[in-house]
Amino acid sequence: GAVVSQHPSWVICKSGTSVKIECRSLDFQATTMFWYRQFPKQSLMLMATSNEGSKATYEQGVEKDKFLINHASLTLSTLTVTSAHPEDSSFYICSARVTHRGQETQYFGPGTRLLVL
Amino acid sequence: GNSVTQMEGPVTLSEEAFLTINCTYTATGYPSLFWYVQYPGEGLQLLLKATKADDKGSNKGFEATYRKETTSFHLEKGSVQVSDSAVYFCALYGQNFVFGPGTRLSVLP
Repeated sequence: GAVVSQHPSWVICKSGTSVKIECRSLDFQATTMFWYRQFPKQSLMLMATSNEGSKATYEQGVEKDKFLINHASLTLSTLTVTSAHPEDSSFYICSARVTHRGQETQYFGPGTRLLVL
Repeated sequence: GNSVTQMEGPVTLSEEAFLTINCTYTATGYPSLFWYVQYPGEGLQLLLKATKADDKGSNKGFEATYRKETTSFHLEKGSVQVSDSAVYFCALYGQNFVFGPGTRLSVLP
């Protein structure tokens, strides 16, 4: 089946640094990818929709200048957490949407665990 | 807007016990319904789905039926195993995914 990868799988960084997380669709092209955030023992919350070749659409309450999203190609979207702080520590999950024979399906990546010290 | 409610647990069962995790939803239109499973330290894996009323999704012994009249999509398994211990998320997909809060299941040997 379709596979979505994320890199890195986990990262520890110092407060104030920026961290880039990559999301790749490995065997299909995805014009639309999504970024979610999951706090410990909580559900996934949609942060933004990433559209190839255009600006991302952010959900209410998500700072677009803090969470920079770039969808430069049909197989890659990146999320950059700028000037990270401890409260940004979380599990970040991406998904990629594909339409096949008129049916939409989303495939989720394995997630990236971010710890900001 | 759309929303998903599910029993939050945690649910603790003995091996071979019967499992039910309730899920109800509120949505405009006719969304697709999903159950995802998340094992410790991992991302989401699709467990099963149903795209229209009365559809039954099934996988690995798990089943759920799309009930439009009760707006429900309860997850069931007749005999759970220790390896089923995970967090289970009910979700609907209209224009975007909306996830329930997740139910943590622990199966004891």
